[in-house]
Amino acid sequence: NFMLTQPHSVSESPGKTVTISCTRSSGGIASNYVQWYQQRPGSAPSTVIYEDNQRPSGVPDRFSGSIDSSSNSASLTISGLKTEDEADYYCQSYDSSNQRVVFGGGTQLTVL
Amino acid sequence: QVQLVESGGGLVKPGGSLRLSCAASGFTFSGYYMSWIRQAPGKGLEWVSYIGNTGIYYADSVKGRFTISRDNAKNSLYLQMNSLRAEDTAMYYCARDPAIGGVDYWGQGTLVTVSS
Repeated sequence: NFMLTQPHSVSESPGKTVTISCTRSSGGIASNYVQWYQQRPGSAPSTVIYEDNQRPSGVPDRFSGSIDSSSNSASLTISGLKTEDEADYYCQSYDSSNQRVVFGGGTQLTVL
Repeated sequence: QVQLVESGGGLVKPGGSLRLSCAASGFTFSGYYMSWIRQAPGKGLEWVSYIGNTGIYYADSVKGRFTISRDNAKNSLYLQMNSLRAEDTAMYYCARDPAIGGVDYWGQGTLVTVSS
């Protein structure tokens, strides 16, 4: 079993770039795909990154995902921040040792 | 376009039962894994269960109480919830998994409240 750890909150100004990290506690980060979900207040989640670094159609290229085996973490980077990006962001992966889906605790992004 | 529409939520007493449904459209339902994911008020996302080619799996918190099923002829996913507890109170989301161990499409959710 592993856990995914995210910072509780991050904040940045409009137009800037922010990176949200997601650290896997055990096992390699590259062992299973990482997804990132955006959840605006009062709304259902939506997928912004899947399979580590793929963007669904309709998601702007300001959103990018990556993994880093040296730090055993995944990252979501949002460039050219807009106020509409203010939301909670969750990372997620799969534990193939016990067939469980694992979510990070979520990061609240404030754009101010 | 892909649509997932949940129904069946509501207020139920502790120990009671509820059956959630998810109507899928816009894709070949039988070709995809499907999941239920929940979110307690003010909390993060919690995986509940998924059904795929390799089998059916549950989170430890619901194992033995919840049953996931699907009817490919009706393009529908279900979650039978028995022995409900206050801690099961949450928004329940239906989600599609393109066999990546994650979600590409989410429904809008149905709210389950367990309270006396």
